[in-house]
Amino acid sequence: AQKVTQAQTEISVVEKEDVTLDCVYETRDTTYYLFWYKQPPSGELVFLIRRNSFDEQNEISGRYSWNFQKSTSSFNFTITASQVVDSAVYFCALLGSYNTDKLIFGTGTRLQVFP
Amino acid sequence: DTGVSQDPRHKITKRGQNVTFRCDPISEHNRLYWYRQTLGQGPEFLTYFQNEAQLEKSRLLSDRFSAERPKGSFSTLEIQRTEQGDSAMYLCASSQSTGATDTQYFGPGTRLTVL
Repeated sequence: AQKVTQAQTEISVVEKEDVTLDCVYETRDTTYYLFWYKQPPSGELVFLIRRNSFDEQNEISGRYSWNFQKSTSSFNFTITASQVVDSAVYFCALLGSYNTDKLIFGTGTRLQVFP
Repeated sequence: DTGVSQDPRHKITKRGQNVTFRCDPISEHNRLYWYRQTLGQGPEFLTYFQNEAQLEKSRLLSDRFSAERPKGSFSTLEIQRTEQGDSAMYLCASSQSTGATDTQYFGPGTRLTVL
């Protein structure tokens, strides 16, 4: 079975603080893909990053960075110097490689950034 | 580049009525997905199409739900005899199949309220 766990339901920070959103996944597939999406209050899911299981290199994109560790089945997301516009619900998702094309989402982490 | 669009954005209906939602994918994308999201949860997969063929349906998709993509372009999702439990956000996504795993891009969703 495949599963994604985002244990942090809600996180509140003050602007300019760094914040890390945790994601732990379960899968029996040897090849799989991990994603992060952002859902602002408007409701649309915005794609942030995709990572395949063979690529454990961490990635940085501006204030965003992602730490993928297969040994702990985690794919954590860090926002550096958070801004009010970062306030949203963030979802981690898993897609297995075998005979399926559906994303398995976690329950999301609501991030509130206060000025 | 136009993103995924959905219509209507909001729908309020009375229990027992039928409703239909429309999704227009990104123009060059051949895959189209439907997900359902309830309050406080991540999106859950309902069904997906490659061109006009419906390739997978979730057990969540009861007999009251039907989806079509007649010409391999836009898709419709119909719910017959709506129930209060159908109240949710219905999200559409599209992707371009390249033989490898694709990234799904989401539309703004249709929020359904069944009274």
